[in-house]
Order: sequence, then C-alpha cells, then structure tokens
Amino acid sequence: DVKVTQSSRYLVKRTGEKVFLECVQDMDHENMFWYRQDPGLGLRLIYFSYDVKMKEKGDIPEGYSVSREKKERFSLILESASTNQTSMYLCASSLGASGGPRPYFGPGTRLTVL
Amino acid sequence: QQPVQSPQAVILREGEDAVINCSSSKALYSVHWYRQKHGEAPVFLMILLKGGEQKGHEKISASFNEKKQQSSLYLTASQLSYSGTYFCGTLDRGSTLGRLYFGRGTQLTVWP
Repeated sequence: DVKVTQSSRYLVKRTGEKVFLECVQDMDHENMFWYRQDPGLGLRLIYFSYDVKMKEKGDIPEGYSVSREKKERFSLILESASTNQTSMYLCASSLGASGGPRPYFGPGTRLTVL
Repeated sequence: QQPVQSPQAVILREGEDAVINCSSSKALYSVHWYRQKHGEAPVFLMILLKGGEQKGHEKISASFNEKKQQSSLYLTASQLSYSGTYFCGTLDRGSTLGRLYFGRGTQLTVWP
C-alpha cells in the first residue's frame, strides 16, 4: 500500500522562525509535490520535483524553498515564517508523467504561524 | 490552467442526486476526482484517461468529454457519507512533468 507521510499533523511556529516540513514516500515515485490549501482556494501548487535535486516552481513559490536530496524525501522550507503562511500543507507523490500519474496525498500538516 | 468547477456548493437530502462539473481551457490528458473530508487529506475516487470514458465507483460515477475539455461527477442516491469537498484535478495534454491543476472544489452537504 502506497504511503506518503508528513512529519507533523499540527505545527505552531512564531513569526520569523525557519520552518521545515518533511514528506516521505515509499513507492519510488519520481514526482513529488507540495500544495497549500486554503478555504475557497482549493489546492495551490507551491513547488514540485520530478527527480532528485530537480525542482520547479508552482503557482505560489514566494516565501518558500524546497529540497530533494533523496528520491523518497521532499522538504518544504519556510525561510522566515509569516502569519499569512498559516495554512494546511499537503504533500503528494506520483509516478512520472508517462504513467498517467495519480498523485497520492499525505495526511497534511496544519501550520499556524503566530 | 486551473480548471473551473461548478457549482461551488450543493446541499442535498439523503437519496437525492447531484452533478459536479469540471472544465478546462486546455486540451486534457486525464481528469482525476478526489473527495476530502474536513481536516483530512483528499481521497482518490477515480481517474479518467480517455475521451468519452465513464467510470464508476459504487454510486459515484464520472464522464470525460475530451472534445469539450470537461468532466462531470455524478453522485446517485446520495448518502450522508458523501458529504465533503470534491476536487477535480486535470493533467494537460502535452504535459511532460505530470503536474495536476486542481479546481477550487465543490462543497457537498448531505442532510438526513
């Protein structure tokens, strides 16, 4: 059974802190994604990665960076957290595009920045 | 490139039917449907890969009109457990990176 795990379900941080959100998948998927979900806005893509050390900006990359040093792990970094980054963060992984990829989602991390 | 979902919200009585639509301005390779309960991750319902394809999942089915670049999700004889937010995700034809674009979601509430 495919598993995508995220390091925390709930996280509370202070403004200005550096925040790391970790995502691990166990299916040897090429693609990994970080989404942000806010009420009424749906799922918005922050960054995605299609291979180790490769990354592409999504629709809302400002204020975020990512790291993919190993195929199974994709980290989202908030360099200096701000209150407008309070949100639900969802990680997903999928096979490469040729497979008609179905993303598998992690359980999400609800981040609150005070 | 974000697909447009309609309606934004639906309120039903148990046993009633609903249709949720998803349309894109781009030619599509596939359409994915997810349901999300409050506070939980989206749960995969089905993927439609070919134009005209219809797939079913219990009393939930979907169609994909490749020509019109749209898909519809049909919920028949709705149950309380169907409540949640439904998202469509679209993969553009010609996409080489497997990136899905998600709609804003349709909130479905089923009352007893």
